[in-house]
This record gives sequence, structure tokens and C-alpha cells, in this order.
Amino acid sequence: AQSVTQLDSQVPVFEEAPVELRCNYSSSVSVYLFWYVQYPNQGLQLLLKYLSGSTLVKGINGFEAEFNKSQTSFHLRKPSVHISDTAEYFCAVSRLLTSGSRLTFGEGTQLTVNP
Amino acid sequence: NAGVTQTPKFQVLKTGQSMTLQCAQDMNHNSMYWYRQDPGMGLRLIYYSASEGTTDKGEVPNGYNVSRLNKREFSLRLESAAPSQTSVYFCASGDRGTSSYEQYFGPGTRLTVT
Repeated sequence: AQSVTQLDSQVPVFEEAPVELRCNYSSSVSVYLFWYVQYPNQGLQLLLKYLSGSTLVKGINGFEAEFNKSQTSFHLRKPSVHISDTAEYFCAVSRLLTSGSRLTFGEGTQLTVNP
Repeated sequence: NAGVTQTPKFQVLKTGQSMTLQCAQDMNHNSMYWYRQDPGMGLRLIYYSASEGTTDKGEVPNGYNVSRLNKREFSLRLESAAPSQTSVYFCASGDRGTSSYEQYFGPGTRLTVT
């Protein structure tokens, strides 16, 4: 079985400050990891993904995440946030099926960037 | 290329009424999914279809049925709506091939059951 825990439900920060959104996962098999972003009243959009290779993954909008197998973590970071980064962020872990995959999501972290 | 589309965008139902949420994708994906999103609970999988002609239960299937009409379309039906089914419903599609296991999401349907 897989599970994902996002350690902070809300993260308020000031504009241009750095931010880290924390995600821990558990899985008995190798995993693929994702971060999605949801802007108000919209669907989910992929920020970045880890499938294999380099443990530092770069995504859209200046975000990056680091896969740490020993700590079973996949934390999301951005060195300088903008007001437009205000959104809800979801960490997810994938389990492969015969065709396609099945995602398990964390509870979400609301990032609020204040001026 | 519209991606994943969902209809309707909003719906209000009375307890006991039925309705069908429609989803279509134009990315030629084999797999399609239905999720519900509730505050503080992330997205929970209701049903999925790994390929045309197959459907399987997810985490929270009770009170729902699905139909994979063809490769493009995957509908979700509420036979007798209950207030506990008030939620935002998302459809998604994906493949484990060239899309690298990513799922693509529709804009969602906001359902209120009174």
C-alpha cells in the first residue's frame, strides 16, 4: 500500500521569500513521485515529476524538488515566490497498473504569498 | 486540442435525484479516472478504467457507477444523490508510455446535493 503525507496544511510567506513544501511518502515498491498545483477554481496542473535518475528535479515556474530515498521525502522548493504562486499544492505517488497508473495524493498544502 | 473536458461545470441536486457527469479526452490515452476533492482530504479515487472495456473500484466507490463508453469517454453516475456526495469531481486521463505516468486533469464539476 502507498500513502502520502504533506506535513503542512497551510504555508503563508511573503513575496520574494524562499519556500519549502514538505512531502513524505511510504511505499513497498519503487515509486514515481509528482507535484501538482491547483489554482483557485481550476483543475490540477503538473509542476514536476520524479521517475528516475537525478534526485533533483526541476519543474515549471521556477519550482524544484529533491527525491530523498533514505528519508522517503520529496520536498518542493522555490527560492523566491511571487503573488501568483498562491495556490494549493499536492504531492502524489504513482503505482503502476497493467495499463496506466494509479495516483495516491496527499491532503494538499495551501501556499499563500503575501505582499 | 482540448485535453480533458467535463460537463457540467456546476450542478445542484436534491437528495435522491440522479445525474451523470460526462468526461472526454482527445489525447488518445488508454486510462481514465474519476476523483472527488473534499477540503483537507486531497483527491480520492472513485473509479478508474485502465483501458477501454475495463473499470475498477478506487478508494471511495460507494454510491457511484461508471461507464467507459469508448476510448475517449468515461462517465460517472450518481443513482441516488446524498448530501455526502457534495464535492468537486475531477476526471483525468493518462498512460504509462510516452506520458511517463502523468495524469492530465479536467477543470472539474462542482456538485451540491441539498
